[in-house]
Amino acid sequence: QITLKESGPTLVKPTQTLTLTCTFSGFSLSTSGVGVGWIRQPPGKALEWLALIYWDDDERYSPSLRSRLIITKDTSKNQVVLTMTNMDPVDTATYYCVHSGEFQPFDYWGQGTLVTVSS
Amino acid sequence: IVMTQSPATLSVSPGERATLSCRASQSVSSNLAWYQQKPGQAPRLLIYGASTRATGIPARFSGSGSGTEFTLTISSLQSEDFAVYYCQQYNKWPRGFGGGTKVEIK
Repeated sequence: QITLKESGPTLVKPTQTLTLTCTFSGFSLSTSGVGVGWIRQPPGKALEWLALIYWDDDERYSPSLRSRLIITKDTSKNQVVLTMTNMDPVDTATYYCVHSGEFQPFDYWGQGTLVTVSS
Repeated sequence: IVMTQSPATLSVSPGERATLSCRASQSVSSNLAWYQQKPGQAPRLLIYGASTRATGIPARFSGSGSGTEFTLTISSLQSEDFAVYYCQQYNKWPRGFGGGTKVEIK
């Protein structure tokens, strides 16, 4: 059974860099076609896709946030890491880790982690 | 690709039918998914491929459409169906979600 879990700081200061880790089980990110990504949701607002990395190291990013994001994977640890620089209060949101595939929806979601940006 | 959902809020009585709409600014073929989100929970995949129910999703949920116009229908609303529903295209990058439709009790 596929599970994903996000971890990282709950509070960051403006201008700081956020690093979130997704630890997953039930699948391998070395399997052809598999991808893991990140989606966020500000309180009371809609979902926003951020980034996704595939089994073959293909990386995809939201154009509006591309300059601030880096997504990496560690296949041996079953982890995907998202780094977001220059955090701002508008980045306050619940950040979700998701499983996907090529031309596939986001079929498995982590529970999400709320990140607050405040001084 | 911009995804637009309507209405923003839908008030329905239990047992009634609910019809939610999603429009894409350009064709996404059938690469369209619907998700359900309840308060305090992560979204759950309901429909993919515009019309295929995900594992464990009751038959009262159905999806239709292709290209730019899509519909999610809940045939007879149960108490557990009151939630926010999102559509999402996975035909092109960047992946995009609609703004959501909140289905509330009338």
